[in-house]
Amino acid sequence: AQRVTQPEKLLSVFKGAPVELKCNYSYSGSPELFWYVQYSRQRLQLLLRHISRESIKGFTADLNKGETSFHLKKPFAQEEDSAMYYCALGGIQGAQKLVFGQGTRLTINP
Amino acid sequence: GAGVSQSPSNKVTEKGKDVELRCDPISGHTALYWYRQSLGQGLEFLIYFQGNSAPDKSGLPSDRFSAERTGGSVSTLTIQRTQQEDSAVYLCASSSQTSGGTGEQFFGPGTRLTVL
Repeated sequence: AQRVTQPEKLLSVFKGAPVELKCNYSYSGSPELFWYVQYSRQRLQLLLRHISRESIKGFTADLNKGETSFHLKKPFAQEEDSAMYYCALGGIQGAQKLVFGQGTRLTINP
Repeated sequence: GAGVSQSPSNKVTEKGKDVELRCDPISGHTALYWYRQSLGQGLEFLIYFQGNSAPDKSGLPSDRFSAERTGGSVSTLTIQRTQQEDSAVYLCASSSQTSGGTGEQFFGPGTRLTVL
């Protein structure tokens, strides 16, 4: 079965430090990977997806098919990065649905 | 423009009652999704609509759950004979994607359902 694993429920780093949110997936086909973010009192929104290969708000994520990972990285964390981050898997057998990980709550300390 | 809207924002009901949750997608979005977020759980897919058809209902947890979409727009998720384990935040999302993979999904604010 398809699965997304985010091993860290909580992650706390200091402002200016590098941050990495881990995501591993289980899917034998061609995956589509996404990171969604939910800031406090806001709705869930797309942060980035692997096919666009772009940096959003300083975040990047590289799809590593060998390690089945899609870790989210930012070299210098900012306080406004504090949020709930969800890794999601799409493109499952042509289906439109997303399979989400459990999420990681990132807290950036001043 | 207006985003995805959901109503009600909060719903408290008694065990055994039926509830209806409504979703208004972004205008022109043909794809609509329902997800559920239970306490301590991630987001679980429930059902996907393309237009008024539901090609993927694989996430509906039991036959107490049903959904429909009319006019290619508004969708209603109905839970019959609610149980306490149905308590969750129900999220609706819409997308302009019609085929060829999973596009960006735009989420609503959710409906928090509490079953007493």
